[in-house]
Amino acid sequence: DVKVTQSSRYLVKRTGEKVFLECVQDMDHENMFWYRQDPGLGLRLIYFSYDVKMKEKGDIPEGYSVSREKKERFSLILESASTNQTSMYLCASSSRGGRVNNEQFFGPGTRLTVL
Amino acid sequence: AQSVTQLDSHVSVSEGTPVLLRCNYSSSYSPSLFWYVQHPNKGLQLLLKYTSAATLVKGINGFEAEFKKSETSFHLTKPSAHMSDAAEYFCVVLWDRLAFGKGNQVVVIP
Repeated sequence: DVKVTQSSRYLVKRTGEKVFLECVQDMDHENMFWYRQDPGLGLRLIYFSYDVKMKEKGDIPEGYSVSREKKERFSLILESASTNQTSMYLCASSSRGGRVNNEQFFGPGTRLTVL
Repeated sequence: AQSVTQLDSHVSVSEGTPVLLRCNYSSSYSPSLFWYVQHPNKGLQLLLKYTSAATLVKGINGFEAEFKKSETSFHLTKPSAHMSDAAEYFCVVLWDRLAFGKGNQVVVIP
């Protein structure tokens, strides 16, 4: 069974803390994605990566960075967490298939609260 | 700008009655189209996808969607709602990247 796992289901951090969200996939997918999900806004793309050590900004990259040192792992980093980063964070992966255009497989999400 | 529109953020249906979730997109060409479902505290799961083959697409759990190019629509339907269909549904369109609609929260009334 294919799987995308995220390191935490729930996380509470304080303003100014550095936060790491980890995502691991076991499908040997080239593409990995980080989204945030907020009520009434749907999913918004933060960053994505189409290969190891490669990254591309999504629609809302401000305040975030990412790291892809290994193919199976994609980390989202909040350098200095702020309350407006309280959200549900979803990781996804997909096979290359030409562009980033194949079905994406999603992890269960991490609900981050910044106090 | 390209966009995906899902009206009716909350939809209530009675068990056993049809489900209709509307999705319209703005595009000058035919993109790839997806419907995803998210059950409470779960990740998103693919229901079905359209990739320029048959315009009527059948998915899992009895759902289907019809692509209508002239209407730039990809509405999701199911003939008879089940309690397990209570979830949030997202219409997703691929241009150079995926664009998500804002979702329909479906409540099924016994």
